[in-house]
Amino acid sequence: GENVEQHPSTLSVQEGDSAVIKCTYSDSASNYFPWYKQELGKRPQLIIDIRSNVGEKKDQRIAVTLNKTAKHFSLHITETQPEDSAVYFCAASRYNQGGKLIFGQGTELSVKP
Amino acid sequence: NAGVTQTPKFQVLKTGQSMTLQCAQDMNHNSMYWYRQDPGMGLRLIYYSASEGTTDKGEVPNGYNVSRLNKREFSLRLESAAPSQTSVYFCASSPGDRYEQYFGPGTRLTVT
Repeated sequence: GENVEQHPSTLSVQEGDSAVIKCTYSDSASNYFPWYKQELGKRPQLIIDIRSNVGEKKDQRIAVTLNKTAKHFSLHITETQPEDSAVYFCAASRYNQGGKLIFGQGTELSVKP
Repeated sequence: NAGVTQTPKFQVLKTGQSMTLQCAQDMNHNSMYWYRQDPGMGLRLIYYSASEGTTDKGEVPNGYNVSRLNKREFSLRLESAAPSQTSVYFCASSPGDRYEQYFGPGTRLTVT
């Protein structure tokens, strides 16, 4: 089955710096890769996703890149702000499996003012 | 729209007791999911229902059962609770494959 590894487990940056979180996956048939943000005590919420026919996707300060050959994808946050502090999860799924998501272990991002 | 709702918010059980966690969504979504979240282990899929009338095992189904009661509701049952089932349980729903999953507020379960 699919396995998703996420690094680093914790990341601390200064406000205004960039943050990068990386994930690798094992199933070459996976073709949907969402990223979720979870603030302390809250539910996970989707922040960006990418499908396998696209190599990069941007939404304001957030971008995701996908390298299908190497089976890894990354989340990039530029100009970080204190409100970006949260736990971020990557995930992967295959088409026609009912949306079954396999999540990485999470990265706790801390943005220091 | 309430989105995805879960009951109860908190629950304490003794080992061997049973309970059902309830989940409902009002977004007319086809697919529903149950996850558990433990520190350092991310979100792990317990069971899912791709559409009304179907259910399938996820990564960690042992000790759980589910029922897709109708399109809106998907319940998770613990028949004989164990301390290893102490966790935060999230229900989610989605329009379908490769679409955003919307999560409920979670149920914090402690088994003593």
